[in-house]
Amino acid sequence: AQSVSQHNHHVILSEAASLELGCNYSYGGTVNLFWYVQYPGQHLQLLLKYFSGDPLVKGIKGFEAEFIKSKFSFNLRKPSVQWSDTAEYFCAVRPSSGSARQLTFGSGTQLTVLP
Amino acid sequence: GAGVSQTPSNKVTEKGKYVELRCDPISGHTALYWYRQSLGQGPEFLIYFQGTGAADDSGLPNDRFFAVRPEGSVSTLKIQRTERGDSAVYLCASSPDRAGTGELFFGEGSRLTVL
Repeated sequence: AQSVSQHNHHVILSEAASLELGCNYSYGGTVNLFWYVQYPGQHLQLLLKYFSGDPLVKGIKGFEAEFIKSKFSFNLRKPSVQWSDTAEYFCAVRPSSGSARQLTFGSGTQLTVLP
Repeated sequence: GAGVSQTPSNKVTEKGKYVELRCDPISGHTALYWYRQSLGQGPEFLIYFQGTGAADDSGLPNDRFFAVRPEGSVSTLKIQRTERGDSAVYLCASSPDRAGTGELFFGEGSRLTVL
């Protein structure tokens, strides 16, 4: 079975600082990878996803993530954060083939951006 | 609205009682997922429906938990003989196609508190 580790539980940054949130997964085969975000008081929503091809994927609101297969990592980055980026961020994985369609989520990283 | 709707948004019950949580997915979405999120954790998979049938119920913790989707649309998660450890936010998500784009559209969740 697959698993996901997010090592940073809470990150606090000032506006305009650069962001990198770590995500590592464990699975023996090929995977699809996702980042979801939950803004305060809102539901989870997709930020970006990787299925295949260019390992650097771009998502909404200036976020990007890089898939490094040799490191089993899919770190989330943003060059300059804004106060409105304050939210909880979840990395998720699923096998790219087979009948299992559900996502396995990490425990999340709470990002607080100070104005 | 056109999003995933979950009711009730909050449910407080006593240990040993029976609880039903309802999910109304986005119209036309064939896949429906139930997740459970405990404090400080990421969403934990419970069960996945493709149409009316449970395609994967491997995440249900024990036989006190059961879910149905009789007409391939609305789903109900049923918890018998609730225990304090069942307290969590129960999330429902839907997805538009069998192949699985990977994007899950989440509701805002039903917060269950077992006293």
